Amino acid sequence: EVQLVESGRGLVQPGGSLRLSCAASGFDFSSFSMSWVRQAPGKGLEWVSAISGSGYSTYYADSVKGRFTISRDNFKGTLHLQMSGLRDEDTAVYYCAKPYGDYPCFDSWGRGTLVTVSS
Amino acid sequence: EIVLTQSPGTLSLSPGERATLSCRASQSVSSSYFAWYQQKPGQAPRLLIYGASSRATGIPERFSGSGSGTDFTLTISSLEPEDFAVYYCQQYDTSPKYTFGQGTKLEIK
Repeated sequence: EVQLVESGRGLVQPGGSLRLSCAASGFDFSSFSMSWVRQAPGKGLEWVSAISGSGYSTYYADSVKGRFTISRDNFKGTLHLQMSGLRDEDTAVYYCAKPYGDYPCFDSWGRGTLVTVSS
Repeated sequence: EIVLTQSPGTLSLSPGERATLSCRASQSVSSSYFAWYQQKPGQAPRLLIYGASSRATGIPERFSGSGSGTDFTLTISSLEPEDFAVYYCQQYDTSPKYTFGQGTKLEIK
């Protein structure tokens, strides 16, 4: 069974930093790209970032480019999101998500971790 | 950047009725790169439809997807009580970038 468990939730001041992690199990982690998707309170879904299975290629939404860094450790089966220069509008539940085979959509999601940016 | 617009914003129906949800893209989208999700309060999204018309594993037959180009539809043939939720469409382009619609809330009438 695929399991994705996020950690790293917290309250951060504007301009601060936070690192999120996602522990993956139940599938061949290194064979899949992985993504972070976020959801602001009461709002819709927003894709944040993706990383290839090897970790060599990374991609970002314009809203986080230059501030967030995605990475992965295929030996440990973990995905990370290093967030810096945090803004109020980054407040959201952050989900890690696994694609559905070769299709660019997400069939497995974690339960999410809440990041609150506030002074 | 492709923008997805879902309609209606809220749909009020009764159990047993047929639900039709729409998603319109600002430019043509590959059907292979189009999906639908269901999200209930406090839960992560659940993949319903991929490739515009294929049901994901374990999704009941009452859910179906159709469409191509810029217009896509999710149909629930006969609503069950557990179907009342928020539904999102999603597309992928080769930038790469994933885009979600703003959601349609399906509520009990």
